[in-house]
Amino acid sequence: DQQVKQNSPSLSVQEGRISILNCDYTNSMFDYFLWYKKYPAEGPTFLISISSIKDKNEDGRFTVFLNKSAKHLSLHIVPSQPGDSAVYFCAASGRGSQGNLIFGKGTKLSVKP
Amino acid sequence: NAGVMQNPRHLVRRRGQEARLRCSPMKGHSHVYWYRQLPEEGLKFMVYLQKENIIDESGMPKERFSAEFPKEGPSILRIQQVVRGDSAAYFCASSPFEGTNSPLHFGNGTRLTVT
Repeated sequence: DQQVKQNSPSLSVQEGRISILNCDYTNSMFDYFLWYKKYPAEGPTFLISISSIKDKNEDGRFTVFLNKSAKHLSLHIVPSQPGDSAVYFCAASGRGSQGNLIFGKGTKLSVKP
Repeated sequence: NAGVMQNPRHLVRRRGQEARLRCSPMKGHSHVYWYRQLPEEGLKFMVYLQKENIIDESGMPKERFSAEFPKEGPSILRIQQVVRGDSAAYFCASSPFEGTNSPLHFGNGTRLTVT
């Protein structure tokens, strides 16, 4: 039973355009959400996070949007660059569950020059 | 991922052998977490440790798996009598804070192959 779902296994985008990666969750007790980026043979690298008290958080080219009523979050990358090509994981945690992140299966983003 | 050091990067074991995976957290971090990633899957939480204490082992298989984080030295994830299904990438992460809402910093993982 997947509590965090990334329904698109892959996404291909042209360089300079916007990449939108989506994530849905089922557990209403989740209150902290993160996006990680992972290159092959490396560990996940933290990108951006958002607390459930917010609906948007921005850091440079990366913006995360949270829609609590729909239990949906998305990561926007604009403009997309070839170096953004990687697997992106959405993760969530609940209050009191220190470090116990629930990860989605990931979306492989390919940014074509 | 500078800072969280895992070794070995690759480990091959025959069925029935023991696997020992090591993790040194980032400097100043006293909280260590182990995750496992099976092929085509997301990462799955296994265990959360502080120095000399296991805080949450709700994701650890009940048998053959154990973890420790001694007062001195790295954290160790130990898998006894490995089976083919243990083949996976094992990632260690660390954080400096006890509270929630602090991102985890991951190492580059140990890829365990059981033949």
